[in-house]
Amino acid sequence: DSGVTQTPKHLITATGQRVTLRCSPRSGDLSVYWYQQSLDQGLQFLIQYYNGEERAKGNILERFSAQQFPDLHSELNLSSLELGDSALYFCASSVHPGTGRLNYGYTFGSGTRLTVV
Amino acid sequence: TQLLEQSPQFLSIQEGENLTVYCNSSSVFSSLQWYRQEPGEGPVLLVTVVTGGEVKKLKRLTFQFGDARKDSSLHITAAQPGDTGLYLCAGALPNAGKSTFGDGTTLTVKP
Repeated sequence: DSGVTQTPKHLITATGQRVTLRCSPRSGDLSVYWYQQSLDQGLQFLIQYYNGEERAKGNILERFSAQQFPDLHSELNLSSLELGDSALYFCASSVHPGTGRLNYGYTFGSGTRLTVV
Repeated sequence: TQLLEQSPQFLSIQEGENLTVYCNSSSVFSSLQWYRQEPGEGPVLLVTVVTGGEVKKLKRLTFQFGDARKDSSLHITAAQPGDTGLYLCAGALPNAGKSTFGDGTTLTVKP
Protein backbone atom coordinates (compact mmCIF):
# COMPACT_ATOMS: atom_id res chain seq x y z
CA ASP A 1 0.00 0.00 0.00
CA SER A 2 1.63 3.23 -1.22
CA GLY A 3 -0.57 5.50 0.89
CA VAL A 4 -2.24 7.04 -2.18
CA THR A 5 -5.80 5.76 -2.56
CA GLN A 6 -7.65 5.81 -5.84
CA THR A 7 -11.24 4.82 -6.42
CA PRO A 8 -12.77 3.13 -8.25
CA LYS A 9 -10.20 0.61 -9.45
CA HIS A 10 -12.17 -0.23 -12.58
CA LEU A 11 -14.81 1.72 -14.45
CA ILE A 12 -16.73 0.72 -17.56
CA THR A 13 -18.98 3.30 -19.13
CA ALA A 14 -20.55 4.23 -22.43
CA THR A 15 -19.52 6.94 -24.86
CA GLY A 16 -20.95 10.33 -24.04
CA GLN A 17 -21.13 9.65 -20.32
CA ARG A 18 -19.42 11.47 -17.44
CA VAL A 19 -17.35 9.89 -14.68
CA THR A 20 -15.51 11.06 -11.58
CA LEU A 21 -12.26 9.54 -10.39
CA ARG A 22 -11.22 10.08 -6.80
CA CYS A 23 -7.80 10.31 -5.16
CA SER A 24 -6.66 10.65 -1.55
CA PRO A 25 -3.00 11.64 -1.31
CA ARG A 26 -0.45 10.18 1.06
CA SER A 27 -0.65 11.69 4.53
CA GLY A 28 1.33 14.93 4.67
CA ASP A 29 1.54 15.43 0.90
CA LEU A 30 0.01 18.65 -0.36
CA SER A 31 0.53 18.15 -4.11
CA VAL A 32 -1.64 15.91 -6.24
CA TYR A 33 -0.84 15.07 -9.84
CA TRP A 34 -3.03 13.32 -12.40
CA TYR A 35 -1.52 11.27 -15.21
CA GLN A 36 -3.09 9.31 -18.06
CA GLN A 37 -1.38 6.14 -19.27
CA SER A 38 -2.33 4.50 -22.52
CA LEU A 39 -0.48 1.86 -24.52
CA ASP A 40 0.49 4.18 -27.32
CA GLN A 41 1.28 7.33 -25.35
CA GLY A 42 2.92 6.36 -22.09
CA LEU A 43 2.37 8.44 -18.95
CA GLN A 44 0.98 11.84 -19.91
CA PHE A 45 0.73 14.63 -17.35
CA LEU A 46 -2.74 16.10 -17.02
CA ILE A 47 -2.80 18.52 -14.10
CA GLN A 48 -1.30 19.33 -10.69
CA TYR A 49 -2.85 20.85 -7.58
CA TYR A 50 -1.02 22.12 -4.54
CA ASN A 51 -2.93 22.77 -1.33
CA GLY A 52 -6.16 23.38 -3.21
CA GLU A 53 -4.78 25.52 -6.02
CA GLU A 54 -4.03 24.54 -9.60
CA ARG A 55 -0.25 24.68 -10.13
CA ALA A 56 0.44 23.19 -13.53
CA LYS A 57 -1.54 22.05 -16.50
CA GLY A 58 -0.52 19.57 -19.16
CA ASN A 59 -2.32 18.30 -22.23
CA ILE A 60 -5.65 18.04 -20.46
CA LEU A 61 -8.68 18.07 -22.70
CA GLU A 62 -11.38 20.70 -22.18
CA ARG A 63 -13.80 17.82 -21.47
CA PHE A 64 -11.70 16.98 -18.42
CA SER A 65 -11.55 18.97 -15.21
CA ALA A 66 -10.17 18.46 -11.74
CA GLN A 67 -10.18 20.01 -8.32
CA GLN A 68 -8.55 19.55 -4.94
CA PHE A 69 -10.68 19.92 -1.86
CA PRO A 70 -9.81 21.40 1.57
CA ASP A 71 -9.16 17.92 2.94
CA LEU A 72 -6.63 17.56 0.06
CA HIS A 73 -8.40 14.77 -1.77
CA SER A 74 -8.77 15.36 -5.48
CA GLU A 75 -11.29 14.45 -8.14
CA LEU A 76 -10.81 14.16 -11.88
CA ASN A 77 -13.99 14.63 -13.89
CA LEU A 78 -14.15 13.23 -17.42
CA SER A 79 -17.16 14.16 -19.53
CA SER A 80 -18.52 13.44 -23.02
CA LEU A 81 -16.39 10.33 -22.97
CA GLU A 82 -14.97 8.94 -26.18
CA LEU A 83 -13.52 5.53 -26.96
CA GLY A 84 -10.05 7.09 -27.03
CA ASP A 85 -10.37 8.12 -23.39
CA SER A 86 -10.00 4.49 -22.37
CA ALA A 87 -6.79 4.35 -20.33
CA LEU A 88 -5.29 3.98 -16.90
CA TYR A 89 -5.59 7.15 -14.85
CA PHE A 90 -3.07 7.59 -12.09
CA CYS A 91 -2.97 9.97 -9.20
CA ALA A 92 0.34 10.73 -7.53
CA SER A 93 1.23 12.86 -4.55
CA SER A 94 4.30 14.58 -3.16
CA VAL A 95 5.34 17.24 -0.71
CA HIS A 96 6.76 19.25 -3.60
CA PRO A 97 4.82 22.46 -4.30
CA GLY A 98 5.49 22.47 -8.02
CA THR A 99 8.04 25.23 -8.31
CA GLY A 100 11.30 26.23 -6.72
CA ARG A 101 12.36 23.33 -4.57
CA LEU A 102 13.77 20.09 -5.96
CA ASN A 103 11.36 17.41 -7.11
CA TYR A 104 12.32 14.20 -5.29
CA GLY A 105 9.68 12.06 -6.97
CA TYR A 106 6.13 10.99 -6.44
CA THR A 107 4.09 8.32 -4.72
CA PHE A 108 1.58 6.82 -7.12
CA GLY A 109 -1.75 5.19 -6.46
CA SER A 110 -2.80 1.92 -8.10
CA GLY A 111 -4.80 3.73 -10.75
CA THR A 112 -8.29 3.63 -12.18
CA ARG A 113 -8.74 1.61 -15.35
CA LEU A 114 -11.37 3.36 -17.45
CA THR A 115 -12.96 1.50 -20.32
CA VAL A 116 -15.30 3.42 -22.60
CA VAL A 117 -17.53 1.21 -24.73
CA THR B 1 9.14 14.77 -29.86
CA GLN B 2 9.68 13.03 -26.53
CA LEU B 3 11.54 15.05 -23.90
CA LEU B 4 13.05 11.84 -22.53
CA GLU B 5 14.05 8.99 -24.82
CA GLN B 6 14.47 5.57 -23.24
CA SER B 7 16.30 2.67 -24.81
CA PRO B 8 15.93 -0.10 -25.49
CA GLN B 9 12.14 -0.18 -25.64
CA PHE B 10 12.06 -3.92 -24.92
CA LEU B 11 14.67 -6.19 -23.36
CA SER B 12 14.42 -9.92 -22.75
CA ILE B 13 17.27 -11.66 -20.96
CA GLN B 14 18.07 -14.79 -18.98
CA GLU B 15 18.34 -14.87 -15.23
CA GLY B 16 21.85 -13.99 -14.09
CA GLU B 17 22.70 -11.68 -16.98
CA ASN B 18 23.63 -8.02 -16.59
CA LEU B 19 21.87 -5.20 -18.42
CA THR B 20 21.85 -1.45 -18.83
CA VAL B 21 18.98 0.76 -19.87
CA TYR B 22 19.31 4.38 -20.89
CA CYS B 23 17.40 7.61 -20.53
CA ASN B 24 18.51 10.48 -22.76
CA SER B 25 17.48 14.06 -23.40
CA SER B 26 18.77 17.28 -24.87
CA SER B 27 17.38 19.15 -21.86
CA VAL B 28 19.01 19.74 -18.49
CA PHE B 29 17.09 18.43 -15.50
CA SER B 30 17.18 19.58 -11.90
CA SER B 31 16.38 16.04 -10.81
CA LEU B 32 15.70 12.71 -12.42
CA GLN B 33 13.82 9.71 -11.07
CA TRP B 34 13.63 6.03 -11.96
CA TYR B 35 10.45 4.07 -11.35
CA ARG B 36 9.43 0.44 -11.83
CA GLN B 37 5.89 -0.40 -12.79
CA GLU B 38 4.26 -3.82 -12.75
CA PRO B 39 1.13 -4.65 -14.77
CA GLY B 40 -2.03 -3.16 -13.28
CA GLU B 41 -0.13 -1.17 -10.67
CA GLY B 42 1.19 2.35 -10.33
CA PRO B 43 4.87 3.20 -10.80
CA VAL B 44 7.02 2.76 -7.70
CA LEU B 45 9.85 5.21 -7.10
CA LEU B 46 13.28 3.54 -7.05
CA VAL B 47 15.67 6.48 -6.85
CA THR B 48 16.12 10.22 -7.36
CA VAL B 49 19.39 11.70 -8.61
CA VAL B 50 20.09 15.42 -8.49
CA THR B 51 23.85 16.02 -8.92
CA GLY B 52 25.69 15.64 -12.23
CA GLY B 53 27.83 12.50 -12.15
CA GLU B 54 25.98 11.12 -9.16
CA VAL B 55 25.91 7.33 -8.73
CA LYS B 56 23.41 5.60 -6.46
CA LYS B 57 23.14 1.91 -5.68
CA LEU B 58 20.09 -0.02 -4.60
CA LYS B 59 21.11 -3.66 -4.04
CA ARG B 60 21.84 -4.99 -7.56
CA LEU B 61 20.68 -1.77 -9.26
CA THR B 62 23.12 1.06 -10.04
CA PHE B 63 21.82 4.43 -11.21
CA GLN B 64 23.98 7.14 -12.76
CA PHE B 65 23.15 10.74 -13.61
CA GLY B 66 25.15 12.21 -16.49
CA ASP B 67 27.68 14.94 -15.77
CA ALA B 68 25.59 17.48 -17.69
CA ARG B 69 22.36 16.31 -16.03
CA LYS B 70 20.84 15.44 -19.42
CA ASP B 71 20.92 11.66 -19.26
CA SER B 72 20.89 8.72 -16.92
CA SER B 73 21.45 4.99 -16.92
CA LEU B 74 20.22 2.06 -14.88
CA HIS B 75 22.44 -1.01 -14.62
CA ILE B 76 21.17 -4.27 -13.16
CA THR B 77 23.65 -6.94 -12.12
CA ALA B 78 22.69 -10.60 -12.14
CA ALA B 79 19.09 -9.97 -13.12
CA GLN B 80 16.36 -12.04 -11.48
CA PRO B 81 12.79 -12.82 -12.62
CA GLY B 82 11.56 -10.46 -9.90
CA ASP B 83 13.22 -7.59 -11.79
CA THR B 84 10.70 -8.03 -14.60
CA GLY B 85 8.68 -4.88 -15.21
CA LEU B 86 8.45 -1.53 -16.95
CA TYR B 87 11.28 0.82 -16.01
CA LEU B 88 10.44 4.49 -16.37
CA CYS B 89 12.67 7.50 -16.08
CA ALA B 90 11.19 10.88 -15.25
CA GLY B 91 12.79 14.28 -15.25
CA ALA B 92 11.94 17.59 -13.64
CA LEU B 93 12.99 20.68 -15.56
CA PRO B 94 14.35 23.61 -13.53
CA ASN B 95 11.50 25.67 -12.03
CA ALA B 96 8.92 23.17 -13.25
CA GLY B 97 7.72 20.93 -10.48
CA LYS B 98 6.02 18.29 -12.54
CA SER B 99 7.86 15.25 -13.80
CA THR B 100 7.90 14.32 -17.47
CA PHE B 101 8.12 10.60 -18.12
CA GLY B 102 9.87 8.63 -20.81
CA ASP B 103 8.02 5.80 -22.55
CA GLY B 104 9.88 3.19 -20.55
CA THR B 105 11.86 0.00 -21.05
CA THR B 106 9.94 -3.25 -20.68
CA LEU B 107 12.29 -5.80 -19.09
CA THR B 108 11.59 -9.51 -19.04
CA VAL B 109 13.93 -11.77 -17.09
CA LYS B 110 13.45 -15.44 -17.88
CA PRO B 111 14.25 -18.10 -15.28
